[in-house]
Amino acid sequence: EAGVVQSPRYKIIEKKQPVAFWCNPISGHNTLYWYRQNLGQGPELLIRYENEEAVDDSQLPKDRFSAERLKGVDSTLKIQPAELGDSAVYLCASSPWLADTGELFFGEGSRLTVL
Amino acid sequence: GESVGLHLPTLSVQEGDNSIINCAYSNSASDYFIWYKQESGKGPQFIIDIRSNMDKRQGQRVTVLLNKTVKHLSLQIAATQPGDSAVYFCAENPDNAGNMLTFGGGTRLMVKP
Repeated sequence: EAGVVQSPRYKIIEKKQPVAFWCNPISGHNTLYWYRQNLGQGPELLIRYENEEAVDDSQLPKDRFSAERLKGVDSTLKIQPAELGDSAVYLCASSPWLADTGELFFGEGSRLTVL
Repeated sequence: GESVGLHLPTLSVQEGDNSIINCAYSNSASDYFIWYKQESGKGPQFIIDIRSNMDKRQGQRVTVLLNKTVKHLSLQIAATQPGDSAVYFCAENPDNAGNMLTFGGGTRLMVKP
């Protein structure tokens, strides 16, 4: 079974430019998460979806960040305009709705460098 | 605010020795904990979890210990191997409302051959 797929793996942009990240979760997983991981730190939740509904976006900087999961499967995270401080790894994760464990399945991440 | 933290940022061990990675948490309402392993350039991978009604849980070469009295969590790796070199994160579910995980800052484990 394929894992969580993210693209692009790496992105280098200049500040004030837009950028978008794409995530395809594990088939059948209703819950999708976007995390941001700064260098040397643990992941921090940006937004969580249950199917197509964003149920927790309190940590998403809404002035420049947006996310969507239109059909309850793939998701896109956008930053516009990017700032230097946005340089980080953006991790997507998914989990089934009813699970025996609270395990989140992570993708390999999209590393963003803002110059 | 309440958060999950780690005692040591870097741990260096000899191959074949046992490793112990520690984690302190401050949210007494947390009742579920997970250890993740993250290799360079990859996403975090699940290692083992434990619920607050347990003190100990064992997996293959790994054991997680939970001390609720002092709000302490540890990950023990037996016979550490070079492939165990990675950053290890503990994560907690602070309110047991769905799969909401709060991660600590991570400990880097370096295994010397």
